[in-house]
Amino acid sequence: EPEVTQTPSHQVTQMGQEVILRCVPISNHLYFYWYRQILGQKVEFLVSFYNNEISEKSEIFDDQFSVERPDGSNFTLKIRSTKLEDSAMYFCASSGPGQGAYEQFFGPGTRLTVL
Amino acid sequence: RKEVEQDPGPFNVPEGATVAFNCTYSNSASQSFFWYRQDCRKEPKLLMSVYSSGNEDGRFTAQLNRASQYISLLIRDSKLSDSATYLCAVNTDSWGKLQFGAGTQVVVTP
Repeated sequence: EPEVTQTPSHQVTQMGQEVILRCVPISNHLYFYWYRQILGQKVEFLVSFYNNEISEKSEIFDDQFSVERPDGSNFTLKIRSTKLEDSAMYFCASSGPGQGAYEQFFGPGTRLTVL
Repeated sequence: RKEVEQDPGPFNVPEGATVAFNCTYSNSASQSFFWYRQDCRKEPKLLMSVYSSGNEDGRFTAQLNRASQYISLLIRDSKLSDSATYLCAVNTDSWGKLQFGAGTQVVVTP
């Protein structure tokens, strides 16, 4: 069964450093998303991406964040200058096409720890 | 008012019993509704989509009540492996951002 994959599974970084989180969505999916979950809190939407551009972004997704689909398979989230409060689990998700656009499938996540 | 609300639980359920819980949403324009299962420190896994009047998948039944703006999940014949946090997710587009509830914890005991 096709699945979303994410690397790395755990990333430790120093405050102020840049990190890139990588995702490989399900191959025929057209819509891509990033969510985050701070420990003990709910899953929060960050950004959606379709047709090589951002479709929607949340208030959390400020200028420090960017997304890119550099090739036909990878989907990345970059945090330019990490803060302590960026420590969270980051989930990539994908959906589509057609009727399947409604249902989002999540990757296993990257645990980001900012020291 | 929170956009998506769930009773955090925990719901302690004897093995074999039935458990049901709800999720309320505030945006009447919401179109799509989902139940996800999340195990500790793992990703949300899609359990069921809930469209129109609801649907059933094995031991799991999901219902949608648009008038009162809530969805429900019922688990019959609970198994130990059903122990997890169940997340409600709602969106207002045909695709697009999901708004999650904080989850309902279910603990199935022998």
